[in-house]
Amino acid sequence: DVKVTQSSRYLVKRTGEKVFLECVQDMDHENMFWYRQDPGLGLRLIYFSYDVKMKEKGDIPEGYSVSREKKERFSLILESASTNQTSMYLCASSLIGGGLSYEQYFGPGTRLTVT
Amino acid sequence: AQKITQTQPGMFVQEKEAVTLDCTYDTSDPSYGLFWYKQPSSGEMIFLIYQGSYDQQNATEGRYSLNFQKARKSANLVISASQLGDSAMYFCAMREGRGSSNTGKLIFGQGTTLQVKP
Repeated sequence: DVKVTQSSRYLVKRTGEKVFLECVQDMDHENMFWYRQDPGLGLRLIYFSYDVKMKEKGDIPEGYSVSREKKERFSLILESASTNQTSMYLCASSLIGGGLSYEQYFGPGTRLTVT
Repeated sequence: AQKITQTQPGMFVQEKEAVTLDCTYDTSDPSYGLFWYKQPSSGEMIFLIYQGSYDQQNATEGRYSLNFQKARKSANLVISASQLGDSAMYFCAMREGRGSSNTGKLIFGQGTTLQVKP
């Protein structure tokens, strides 16, 4: 059974803290994604990676960075957390060259609260 | 620019009735794919159904069908015989063929919350 896991379901951090969100997939997928989900805005792409050590900015990369040192692991980093980064964060993965029809597989999400 | 619009923030349906969730899209790429995902209160996104822009028939998966009207750029999800377990948020998403088929990028709509009443 395919699996994407995220390190925490719930996380509470203080303003200014450095925050790491970890995502691991066991499907040998090349592509990995980080989204944030906010009410009324749907899912917005923060960063994605199509290979180890490769990354590209999504639609809302400001205030975030990512790291992909191993194929199965994609980390989202909030260098200095702010209250406007309180959100649900979803990680996903998919095949490269999978064609139009290949879906993304999602993790359970991390609900981050920054106080 | 590519865009997905879901105009219904919330909907109610009686158990065992059918319901249609609206989705319109905008793209200049003739090759694209449309997806619907379900997100229960647990948070995990579940893939439901896919429709390709060149597919002649509307996609169906069990109780889910996609009403694809290409000229109107709409891809509505129809859930037949609603069940209590269908209560969730539903997202429409699109992937364009230009470049995105390799990156796998999806653009998502705002989502529709469906509540099924007993």
